[in-house]
Amino acid sequence: KAGVTQTPRYLIKTRGQQVTLSCSPISGHRSVSWYQQTPGQGLQFLFEYFSETQRNKGNFPGRFSGRQFSNSRSEMNVSTLELGDSALYLCASSKGQNSLDTQYFGPGTRLTVL
Amino acid sequence: AQSVTQLGSHVSVSEGALVLLRCNYSSSVPPYLFWYVQYPNQGLQLLLKYTSAATLVKGINGFEAEFKKSETSFHLTKPSAHMSDAAEYFCAVSASSGGSYIPTFGRGTSLIVHP
Repeated sequence: KAGVTQTPRYLIKTRGQQVTLSCSPISGHRSVSWYQQTPGQGLQFLFEYFSETQRNKGNFPGRFSGRQFSNSRSEMNVSTLELGDSALYLCASSKGQNSLDTQYFGPGTRLTVL
Repeated sequence: AQSVTQLGSHVSVSEGALVLLRCNYSSSVPPYLFWYVQYPNQGLQLLLKYTSAATLVKGINGFEAEFKKSETSFHLTKPSAHMSDAAEYFCAVSASSGGSYIPTFGRGTSLIVHP
């Protein structure tokens, strides 16, 4: 069974640009969560989607948004990039409705903002 | 509100020695607790989780953790370290807030294993 895949793996952008990251969950998984990992702030929860609906949202500005498609694939978008948005963005998928279901993480997308 | 404190950003052990990674949590409601491991250039992998059943939780790769409510702790242990255990370990807490469970992670502990 294929794991969680994230594309692209590496990305370099400049301040003010926007970026879209993609996540394909494990087949059959309907929940997708996104996390930001930085040396300064550690691991922080961004948002969670289940069946195309945002179920939970972390404490991030509105520049960070996401969506989930009918096939459970998810994208997150960051607009007007800032230097502080440089981070490893992790996506995790789980089976179903329970937010405490085991999450399976992808390898992440490393975003560098110059 | 919930929070997690992992004592020691780095822990160094010899191969074959006991591994002890400390985690203390704060939560106003009964929490669910998790330990994850992260290898370089990889995502997180769940080692074990506590969901209010047995207080001693056994996980993968020989790891286990004990939930101690009186001490608000959930320390991770392994009797004998292996070189392949060298990685970053994260403790996380998740508690219900209006029916939602949003995880909060500790800052991580880097486990170094010496031959």
